[in-house]
Amino acid sequence: KNQVEQSPQSLIILEGKNCTLQCNYTVSPFSNLRWYKQDTGRGPVSLTIMTFSENTKSNGRYTATLDADTKQSSLHITASQLSDSASYICVVSALPNAGKSTFGDGTTLTVKP
Amino acid sequence: NAGVMQNPRHLVRRRGQEARLRCSPMKGHSHVYWYRQLPEEGLKFMVYLQKENIIDESGMPKERFSAEFPKEGPSILRIQQVVRGDSAAYFCASSPGQGDSPLHFGNGTRLTVT
Repeated sequence: KNQVEQSPQSLIILEGKNCTLQCNYTVSPFSNLRWYKQDTGRGPVSLTIMTFSENTKSNGRYTATLDADTKQSSLHITASQLSDSASYICVVSALPNAGKSTFGDGTTLTVKP
Repeated sequence: NAGVMQNPRHLVRRRGQEARLRCSPMKGHSHVYWYRQLPEEGLKFMVYLQKENIIDESGMPKERFSAEFPKEGPSILRIQQVVRGDSAAYFCASSPGQGDSPLHFGNGTRLTVT
């Protein structure tokens, strides 16, 4: 059964600090992995996408890594801001078409001043 | 350049009534997906549609739930005879369906069944 496990479930950090969110998956075959950010009361928004051959990808202060051998990904947030407070969702697809992907339950990040 | 539009944003129904949730995909997107999100939980896939066709409805309950994406107009998720357990946020996403295009999500419809 395809599964995506995220940790921690929730995280509280101070503004300006860095943090790393983890994602382990058992989806097979593997096509790509995406990280989404979901603000409270809004729909998720794509941050990064990684395919099998990619190890690292950055989007501003967000850096995602992928280890396809151990089936792990991480999302590192640098110099956190209050607006980073959101749920971060790891989504893994077995096919290029993103629709029927396997969603993690998300990590809820709270950035405090 | 409007994104995915969902309406209504909030919907309150009494037990036994019908709920109709609408989703207009991004311009040029012919693939629509519906997800349900319970409080404090992740998104769960319900159904995947292309214009006039249901491609995959494996995540949608067999009873009371139906979805359509007509040739003209928005996609509709219909829940008949709602029960309290149907209370959730329902998100629609669209994609052009090619390659590694990400899903573009609407801001959801929050259904409350009283």
